[in-house]
Amino acid sequence: QKEVEQNSGPLSVPEGAIASLNCTYSDRGSQSFFWYRQYSGKSPELIMSIYSNGDKEDGRFTAQLNKASQYVSLLIRDSQPSDSATYLCAVRNTGRRALTFGSGTRLQVQP
Amino acid sequence: EAGVAQSPRYKIIEKRQSVAFWCNPISGHATLYWYQQILGQGPKLLIQFQNNGVVDDSQLPKDRFSAERLKGVDSTLKIQPAKLEDSAVYLCASSPNTGELFFGEGSRLTVL
Repeated sequence: QKEVEQNSGPLSVPEGAIASLNCTYSDRGSQSFFWYRQYSGKSPELIMSIYSNGDKEDGRFTAQLNKASQYVSLLIRDSQPSDSATYLCAVRNTGRRALTFGSGTRLQVQP
Repeated sequence: EAGVAQSPRYKIIEKRQSVAFWCNPISGHATLYWYQQILGQGPKLLIQFQNNGVVDDSQLPKDRFSAERLKGVDSTLKIQPAKLEDSAVYLCASSPNTGELFFGEGSRLTVL
Protein backbone atom coordinates (compact mmCIF):
# COMPACT_ATOMS: atom_id res chain seq x y z
CA GLN A 1 0.00 0.00 0.00
CA LYS A 2 1.34 3.40 -0.98
CA GLU A 3 1.66 5.94 1.82
CA VAL A 4 -0.19 8.62 -0.16
CA GLU A 5 -2.53 7.65 -2.99
CA GLN A 6 -4.03 9.78 -5.70
CA ASN A 7 -5.88 9.00 -8.90
CA SER A 8 -3.46 9.87 -11.71
CA GLY A 9 -6.21 11.19 -13.99
CA PRO A 10 -6.45 13.04 -16.20
CA LEU A 11 -9.44 14.71 -14.61
CA SER A 12 -11.15 16.79 -17.25
CA VAL A 13 -13.62 19.54 -16.30
CA PRO A 14 -15.16 22.37 -18.31
CA GLU A 15 -14.20 25.96 -17.60
CA GLY A 16 -16.24 27.38 -14.72
CA ALA A 17 -16.98 24.00 -13.15
CA ILE A 18 -15.82 22.67 -9.77
CA ALA A 19 -12.82 20.34 -9.89
CA SER A 20 -12.58 17.82 -7.06
CA LEU A 21 -9.23 16.20 -6.33
CA ASN A 22 -8.89 13.41 -3.79
CA CYS A 23 -6.11 11.85 -1.75
CA THR A 24 -5.93 9.06 0.84
CA TYR A 25 -3.06 8.32 3.21
CA SER A 26 -2.03 5.29 5.23
CA ASP A 27 -0.37 6.72 8.37
CA ARG A 28 -3.21 7.35 10.83
CA GLY A 29 -0.95 9.56 12.94
CA SER A 30 -0.28 12.05 10.15
CA GLN A 31 -0.64 15.62 11.33
CA SER A 32 -0.14 17.98 8.40
CA PHE A 33 -1.48 17.94 4.88
CA PHE A 34 -0.55 20.00 1.85
CA TRP A 35 -1.63 20.53 -1.73
CA TYR A 36 0.95 21.53 -4.32
CA ARG A 37 0.38 22.52 -7.92
CA GLN A 38 2.97 21.56 -10.54
CA TYR A 39 2.88 22.91 -14.08
CA SER A 40 4.60 20.83 -16.73
CA GLY A 41 8.36 21.33 -16.53
CA LYS A 42 8.12 23.42 -13.37
CA SER A 43 8.67 22.73 -9.69
CA PRO A 44 5.85 22.16 -7.16
CA GLU A 45 4.22 25.28 -5.77
CA LEU A 46 2.35 25.29 -2.44
CA ILE A 47 -1.37 26.02 -2.74
CA MET A 48 -2.78 25.15 0.67
CA SER A 49 -2.04 23.50 3.97
CA ILE A 50 -4.57 21.98 6.38
CA TYR A 51 -4.00 20.62 9.86
CA SER A 52 -7.40 19.96 11.44
CA ASN A 53 -10.61 18.22 10.40
CA GLY A 54 -13.04 20.21 8.32
CA ASP A 55 -12.77 22.73 5.52
CA LYS A 56 -10.27 25.48 4.86
CA GLU A 57 -10.99 28.02 2.16
CA ASP A 58 -8.58 30.30 0.31
CA GLY A 59 -10.04 32.12 -2.66
CA ARG A 60 -11.26 29.59 -5.22
CA PHE A 61 -9.58 26.72 -3.36
CA THR A 62 -11.05 24.66 -0.51
CA ALA A 63 -9.15 21.92 1.25
CA GLN A 64 -11.10 19.30 3.18
CA LEU A 65 -9.67 16.93 5.77
CA ASN A 66 -11.25 13.86 7.38
CA LYS A 67 -8.71 12.17 9.63
CA ALA A 68 -11.08 9.36 10.62
CA SER A 69 -11.36 8.33 6.98
CA GLN A 70 -7.72 9.26 6.25
CA TYR A 71 -8.88 11.38 3.38
CA VAL A 72 -8.00 14.85 2.14
CA SER A 73 -9.43 16.65 -0.86
CA LEU A 74 -9.03 19.86 -2.82
CA LEU A 75 -11.92 21.64 -4.48
CA ILE A 76 -11.27 24.26 -7.14
CA ARG A 77 -14.29 26.45 -7.86
CA ASP A 78 -14.79 28.31 -11.13
CA SER A 79 -12.00 26.29 -12.76
CA GLN A 80 -9.92 28.16 -15.31
CA PRO A 81 -7.70 26.82 -18.12
CA SER A 82 -4.76 28.21 -16.16
CA ASP A 83 -5.59 25.68 -13.40
CA SER A 84 -4.57 22.87 -15.77
CA ALA A 85 -1.65 21.22 -13.99
CA THR A 86 -0.73 18.24 -11.85
CA TYR A 87 -1.88 18.52 -8.23
CA LEU A 88 0.26 16.78 -5.64
CA CYS A 89 -1.04 15.76 -2.24
CA ALA A 90 1.63 15.72 0.48
CA VAL A 91 1.49 14.42 4.03
CA ARG A 92 3.76 14.90 7.01
CA ASN A 93 3.89 11.57 8.82
CA THR A 94 4.26 11.04 12.53
CA GLY A 95 7.72 11.89 13.79
CA ARG A 96 9.02 13.18 10.46
CA ARG A 97 9.49 16.68 9.17
CA ALA A 98 9.81 15.76 5.50
CA LEU A 99 6.72 15.45 3.32
CA THR A 100 5.61 12.27 1.57
CA PHE A 101 4.04 12.99 -1.80
CA GLY A 102 1.45 11.19 -3.84
CA SER A 103 2.02 10.67 -7.54
CA GLY A 104 -0.31 13.53 -8.45
CA THR A 105 -3.56 14.01 -10.33
CA ARG A 106 -3.42 15.70 -13.71
CA LEU A 107 -6.22 18.24 -14.12
CA GLN A 108 -7.34 19.51 -17.52
CA VAL A 109 -9.73 22.46 -17.66
CA GLN A 110 -11.40 22.66 -21.05
CA PRO A 111 -12.15 26.19 -22.38
CA GLU B 1 12.64 37.45 -0.78
CA ALA B 2 14.88 35.29 -2.94
CA GLY B 3 13.72 31.71 -3.48
CA VAL B 4 15.63 28.45 -3.44
CA ALA B 5 18.43 28.55 -6.00
CA GLN B 6 19.62 25.45 -7.82
CA SER B 7 22.21 24.76 -10.49
CA PRO B 8 22.72 23.51 -13.06
CA ARG B 9 19.19 23.52 -14.50
CA TYR B 10 20.01 20.80 -17.00
CA LYS B 11 22.71 18.16 -17.22
CA ILE B 12 23.28 15.34 -19.69
CA ILE B 13 25.86 12.68 -18.87
CA GLU B 14 26.67 9.14 -19.88
CA LYS B 15 26.15 6.24 -17.50
CA ARG B 16 28.99 5.67 -15.06
CA GLN B 17 29.93 9.36 -15.13
CA SER B 18 29.54 11.60 -12.11
CA VAL B 19 27.45 14.72 -11.57
CA ALA B 20 26.95 17.27 -8.81
CA PHE B 21 24.03 19.57 -8.08
CA TRP B 22 24.12 22.66 -5.91
CA CYS B 23 21.40 24.28 -3.81
CA ASN B 24 21.16 27.53 -1.87
CA PRO B 25 18.06 27.62 0.37
CA ILE B 26 15.91 30.57 1.36
CA SER B 27 17.74 32.70 3.90
CA GLY B 28 16.95 31.67 7.45
CA HIS B 29 15.51 28.26 6.57
CA ALA B 30 17.26 25.71 8.76
CA THR B 31 15.85 22.63 7.06
CA LEU B 32 16.93 21.58 3.58
CA TYR B 33 15.70 18.64 1.52
CA TRP B 34 16.72 16.90 -1.67
CA TYR B 35 13.93 15.13 -3.55
CA GLN B 36 14.08 13.04 -6.70
CA GLN B 37 11.18 13.28 -9.12
CA ILE B 38 11.00 10.74 -11.91
CA LEU B 39 8.71 11.62 -14.83
CA GLY B 40 5.10 10.85 -13.98
CA GLN B 41 5.76 10.34 -10.27
CA GLY B 42 5.63 12.48 -7.18
CA PRO B 43 8.80 13.78 -5.51
CA LYS B 44 10.60 11.19 -3.39
CA LEU B 45 12.75 12.26 -0.45
CA LEU B 46 16.45 11.47 -0.76
CA ILE B 47 17.89 13.33 2.23
CA GLN B 48 16.91 15.92 4.84
CA PHE B 49 19.29 18.25 6.68
CA GLN B 50 18.61 20.28 9.81
CA ASN B 51 21.28 22.98 9.81
CA ASN B 52 24.33 20.93 8.73
CA GLY B 53 23.25 17.64 10.31
CA VAL B 54 21.51 14.78 8.51
CA VAL B 55 18.03 14.07 9.87
CA ASP B 56 16.85 11.43 7.38
CA ASP B 57 18.81 9.71 4.63
CA SER B 58 17.00 6.38 4.76
CA GLN B 59 16.02 6.53 1.08
CA LEU B 60 19.36 7.76 -0.25
CA PRO B 61 21.16 5.10 -2.37
CA LYS B 62 24.38 5.51 -0.48
CA ASP B 63 26.43 3.34 -2.80
CA ARG B 64 26.22 6.06 -5.45
CA PHE B 65 24.60 9.15 -3.95
CA SER B 66 26.15 11.50 -1.42
CA ALA B 67 25.13 14.88 -0.07
CA GLU B 68 26.58 17.45 2.24
CA ARG B 69 25.55 20.78 3.70
CA LEU B 70 28.53 22.77 4.80
CA LYS B 71 28.09 25.57 7.35
CA GLY B 72 24.35 24.90 7.46
CA VAL B 73 23.58 26.85 4.29
CA ASP B 74 24.43 25.59 0.77
CA SER B 75 24.15 21.93 -0.11
CA THR B 76 25.61 19.68 -2.79
CA LEU B 77 24.16 16.38 -4.03
CA LYS B 78 26.52 14.08 -5.94
CA ILE B 79 25.89 10.96 -7.99
CA GLN B 80 28.81 8.70 -8.82
CA PRO B 81 28.58 6.56 -10.90
CA ALA B 82 25.31 7.47 -12.56
CA LYS B 83 22.88 4.86 -13.85
CA LEU B 84 20.19 5.17 -16.50
CA GLU B 85 17.50 5.03 -13.81
CA ASP B 86 18.91 8.17 -12.18
CA SER B 87 17.40 10.25 -14.98
CA ALA B 88 15.05 12.55 -13.09
CA VAL B 89 14.57 16.06 -11.79
CA TYR B 90 16.44 16.71 -8.54
CA LEU B 91 14.50 19.16 -6.44
CA CYS B 92 15.95 21.07 -3.54
CA ALA B 93 13.52 22.48 -0.98
CA SER B 94 13.84 24.41 2.26
CA SER B 95 11.41 25.09 5.06
CA PRO B 96 10.98 27.46 7.97
CA ASN B 97 9.71 26.31 11.36
CA THR B 98 6.12 26.35 10.09
CA GLY B 99 6.87 23.31 7.98
CA GLU B 100 5.80 24.23 4.47
CA LEU B 101 8.32 23.24 1.83
CA PHE B 102 9.47 25.72 -0.79
CA PHE B 103 11.05 24.23 -3.88
CA GLY B 104 13.73 25.46 -6.23
CA GLU B 105 13.39 25.19 -10.01
CA GLY B 106 15.05 21.79 -10.01
CA SER B 107 17.98 20.23 -11.86
CA ARG B 108 17.00 17.95 -14.72
CA LEU B 109 19.41 15.04 -15.21
CA THR B 110 19.48 12.86 -18.30
CA VAL B 111 21.71 9.78 -18.19
CA LEU B 112 22.48 8.25 -21.59
